[in-house]
Amino acid sequence: DTAVSQTPKYLVTQMGNDKSIKCEQNLGHDTMYWYKQDSKKFLKIMFSYNNKELIINETVPNRFSPKSPDKAHLNLHINSLELGDSAVYFCASSQGRSPSGANVLTFGAGSRLTVL
Amino acid sequence: QKEVEQNSGPLSVPEGAIASLNCTYSDRGSQSFFWYRQYSGKSPELIMSIYSNGDKEDGRFTAQLNKASQYVSLLIRDSQPSDSATYLCAPRPFNTNAGKSTFGDGTTLTVKP
Repeated sequence: DTAVSQTPKYLVTQMGNDKSIKCEQNLGHDTMYWYKQDSKKFLKIMFSYNNKELIINETVPNRFSPKSPDKAHLNLHINSLELGDSAVYFCASSQGRSPSGANVLTFGAGSRLTVL
Repeated sequence: QKEVEQNSGPLSVPEGAIASLNCTYSDRGSQSFFWYRQYSGKSPELIMSIYSNGDKEDGRFTAQLNKASQYVSLLIRDSQPSDSATYLCAPRPFNTNAGKSTFGDGTTLTVKP
C-alpha cells in the first residue's frame, strides 16, 4: 500500500493548457505539501496545507492553485502552462504539530511535467 | 544569504572512504535537523535526524550538529557505490506552525568502485 501516491506520474502537454496533479496519503498525517524540483534538482516548497487549511504559500504564480478537499488529499491545478513549469512536482506529508515530528516528510514518487 | 547552504558538489570519493557532507543554516531558531537522500529519478527519503548538539550515529552514518556555529554535517563511513545520490539538508525552526520544510540545494555524492 503506497503511503503517498501521486497521479499522473508523467504528464506531457502543450503550452497554454490547464492540468491537474492529484495526491493522496494514507498515513493519517495532518500536513501535506507540494514541492517543485527543477532541472537543476533544487527542491522548493510551493504550498502546505494543515488539516485542509493553507498555511504556506510561497511566491508561486497565481496560475498554480492547490486544493485540499480533506486532510488526506491535496491536488494541484495549473492554468495556462508555460515552458518554465516543466519540472518534477513532489507531494509530501508529515505529522504536523510536533516540532520533532514535523519535517519528517514522506514523499510521493513525483509527477514529471513536460510542457512543450 | 540563503536559509540553508550545502557544500557545492559534486563530491566524488573512492569506495571505502569517508564522505563528508556539510550544511550551514541561517535561522538560529532551528531545532530539528534532517538529512534526506535522493537517488536519481526517485523521491527524497529521510535517512537521519538530529536534535541535540554532538554526534548521532546510525550504522555507517553519523550526523554532527553544532548549533552555536549553525552547522550540521553527515559523515558516511566505508562509502559504497549504493551511497551515490544527492543528499539534502533540512533544518526546521521551532516555532513554525506545521513546518516550513526548507531544503538545501543538495550535494551530489558519487562513490567510485
